[in-house]
This record gives sequence, structure tokens and C-alpha cells, in this order.
Amino acid sequence: GESVGLHLPTLSVQEGDNSIINCAYSNSASDYFIWYKQESGKGPQFIIDIRSNMDKRQGQRVTVLLNKTVKHLSLQIAATQPGDSAVYFCAENIQGAQKLVFGQGTRLTINP
Amino acid sequence: DSGVTQTPKHLITATGQRVTLRCSPRSGDLSVYWYQQSLDQGLQFLIQYYNGEERAKGNILERFSAQQFPDLHSELNLSSLELGDSALYFCASSGTGTAPYGYTFGSGTRLTVV
Repeated sequence: GESVGLHLPTLSVQEGDNSIINCAYSNSASDYFIWYKQESGKGPQFIIDIRSNMDKRQGQRVTVLLNKTVKHLSLQIAATQPGDSAVYFCAENIQGAQKLVFGQGTRLTINP
Repeated sequence: DSGVTQTPKHLITATGQRVTLRCSPRSGDLSVYWYQQSLDQGLQFLIQYYNGEERAKGNILERFSAQQFPDLHSELNLSSLELGDSALYFCASSGTGTAPYGYTFGSGTRLTVV
């Protein structure tokens, strides 16, 4: 069945440290992956995406790494700030399907 | 503002009732997706429409239905409501019907069934 999961449901980091949020997926036919950020009371917001023909993509303070060999996706946030507190979801597009499959989510909290 | 508009933002209703949630996609987007998010849960795909036609269906209950109108807005109808239907309901839109690239979410409708 559909399976995009997260290794840790919660992550707590010190302000200024780097955060790494992990995600495992099970469908080798997935060709596109997205990380979303959801703040309390809001809809998910696009952070960064990566296609399956890449293994790394960088944005502003964020990097997504894709390891297709072990079906693993990670989101790295550099110099974590209080505004980064949110739930982060990974999502995969299974080639030929018509929808994104979302993981359970990881709650990131920032300690001052 | 993401460009995807959902109304109402909050809805409180009793068990057994019927409600309609509305979504206006981002300008130019032809696809609309509906997702359900229960407390501390992930996003569960319900249904997708593309240019008025149903394109994909997820774990949508028979008590739920949706449609997309010629002006591309979509409505999600929930009937015979149960306590377990309490959740956030999100609509997302994208420009293509063949892949969900460029998904943009609305801010959701919080449904509380009492």
C-alpha cells in the first residue's frame, strides 16, 4: 500500500543549530518528492522539491537529499530559527498516479 | 495568501447533518485536490478533479462527495456526519491534471461535529 513515513514524530533543536528531518518512502516508482511546512492553523506550504533524477537540491537555508538506493529523503534546515517551528511533511508523487502521498509529519520545536 | 480560497474557515455542526465546503483554486489552476487531516495525523487524499472531471479517488467515504463546477471552484459535501468526521479539510490546486507538481494549499476548513 501507500507508505511514506517519518523516522521521528518530534524533533527538538537549539536555535541556531542545524535540523535534519528524515523520511522513508516505499514506492520505487515515485519520481518527485516535496517537503511541506505546516504552521499551526495554516495549510501546508511548499518548501522545496526534488525529482528522482537528482540526489541533492538546495534552497535558501534548506537542502533536500534523496537516496534512492535506500528510499530515503531528508530535509536539512541550516541555522534553525524560531520561525521554523512547525510540522514538516514529506510527500511523494508515484509516477502515473494522480495525487501526492503524504507522510505522517514531524513536529520541529526550537529551544531558545 | 496562497491564492487558494477555502470557505468557511470554521464549521460546527451536529451529528447526522450535512455540510458543504467550498474551494476556489488559484487563478489558472485546473486541478483541485481535497485532503482530510485529523488531529496530529497526516494528510489523507480524498479526491481530485481536473477541469470539471473526477480524475482520482482516494479513501473517500460514500457519505462524502465532491464536484468541480465550470468556473473551476469545487465543493466537498459531507453528509450523515459522525463525530469521527471532525478534522481539517484542505483543498489544493495545481495547473496540470497529470501530475501534482506545484501543489498550492488553501488554509483549510476546520469541521467540528458535536
